[in-house]
Amino acid sequence: SQTIHQWPATLVQPVGSPLSLECTVEGTSNPNLYWYRQAAGRGLQLLFYSVGIGQISSEVPQNLSASRPQDRQFILSSKKLLLSDSGFYLCAWSNGGATDTQYFGPGTRLTVL
Amino acid sequence: AQKITQTQPGMFVQEKEAVTLDCTYDTSDPSYGLFWYKQPSSGEMIFLIYQGSYDQQNATEGRYSLNFQKARKSANLVISASQLGDSAMYFCAMRIYNFNKFYFGSGTKLNVKP
Repeated sequence: SQTIHQWPATLVQPVGSPLSLECTVEGTSNPNLYWYRQAAGRGLQLLFYSVGIGQISSEVPQNLSASRPQDRQFILSSKKLLLSDSGFYLCAWSNGGATDTQYFGPGTRLTVL
Repeated sequence: AQKITQTQPGMFVQEKEAVTLDCTYDTSDPSYGLFWYKQPSSGEMIFLIYQGSYDQQNATEGRYSLNFQKARKSANLVISASQLGDSAMYFCAMRIYNFNKFYFGSGTKLNVKP
């Protein structure tokens, strides 16, 4: 069966510091991968998605970036965090088929102070 | 453009009663899938149920059923016999076939009262 991991689970970072969040998927190959951000009490905002190694689509222009160095690894980064980057970050995968379903990781709660 | 609308920010239901969470969608594409997710206070998004646009019957998964009315572009989630553990945020989502993006609604917070 497929499993999706995210780490760290929680993170407190000062403004201006760098960020690296990692997401890995097990039990499947060539998945579509997604990064979402969720502000407190709000819906999901799609940040990036990837259909293959090195292929990244950006949905929201901001100071975040994403990379997919391996088939089942998706990394969210920032060189300098802003206060507005605080939120709950969710990674998700889908198999990319016509009727596929998206499955989510446990999330990372980021607080920027 | 694709859009998902959930008009109920919050709802209350008595334990053991049924509840319907509303979802309407907008798309001009005839091929799409509709999804419901549950997000408890822990934050993890849990997939509940899927309905394809060409499916003739409403989807069911245990106590969850999806009331799909294609002409009205609605995909309401029905939870039968509510339990205290059903208290959570619920999100409706849509994906157009052969496209990679999922569109999410703003969510409905369900509170089940004992």
